[in-house]
Amino acid sequence: EPEVTQTPSHQVTQMGQEVILRCVPISNHLYFYWYRQILGQKVEFLVSFYNNEISEKSEIFDDQFSVERPDGSNFTLKIRSTKLEDSAMYFCASKRTGGAGELFFGEGSRLTVL
Amino acid sequence: ELKVEQNPLFLSMQEGKNYTIYCNYSTTSDRLYWYRQDPGKSLESLFVLLSNGAVKQEGRLMASLDTKARLSTLHITAAVHDLSATYFCAVDGSEYGGSQGNLIFGKGTKLSVKP
Repeated sequence: EPEVTQTPSHQVTQMGQEVILRCVPISNHLYFYWYRQILGQKVEFLVSFYNNEISEKSEIFDDQFSVERPDGSNFTLKIRSTKLEDSAMYFCASKRTGGAGELFFGEGSRLTVL
Repeated sequence: ELKVEQNPLFLSMQEGKNYTIYCNYSTTSDRLYWYRQDPGKSLESLFVLLSNGAVKQEGRLMASLDTKARLSTLHITAAVHDLSATYFCAVDGSEYGGSQGNLIFGKGTKLSVKP
């Protein structure tokens, strides 16, 4: 069964460093998303991406965040200068055109900022 | 502010018992999603409820949607240990309406089923 894959599964970084989280969405999906989940809390929407541009973004997705689809398969989330409060699990998700609208989530990338 | 509220947030059940998780939301969304998350794992789609009165069942789980009351329920029948997980409901929160994928999640209900 097709699935969303994410790398790395866990990254530890120093505050102020740049981090890139990578995702390979399901191949025939056209809508891509990043969500985050701070430990023990609810899942929060960060950004949606369609047709090579951001469709929507939340208040959390400020200037230190960016997304990119550098080639036909990868979808990346970059955090330019990490802060302690960026420590969270980051989930990539994708959705196909039409259908019921459900999102398919990857296994997540755990980011720890020291 | 768009809100999705689940209750209870913690639920400890004995195997074989029945229980219901409630999800109230403040949007006018006509669809609702239920996801399951095992500890340290991803979110697995359980149900997509697409309209008022929708009812879906999979095994021991049954979900329903009342868009007039802005309420969805997830009913667990004869619980087994394998159902232990955190269950999230979510609704579409896009300012553009429709199913854009900008989901607002509830805080989750952590279910623990004990023998």
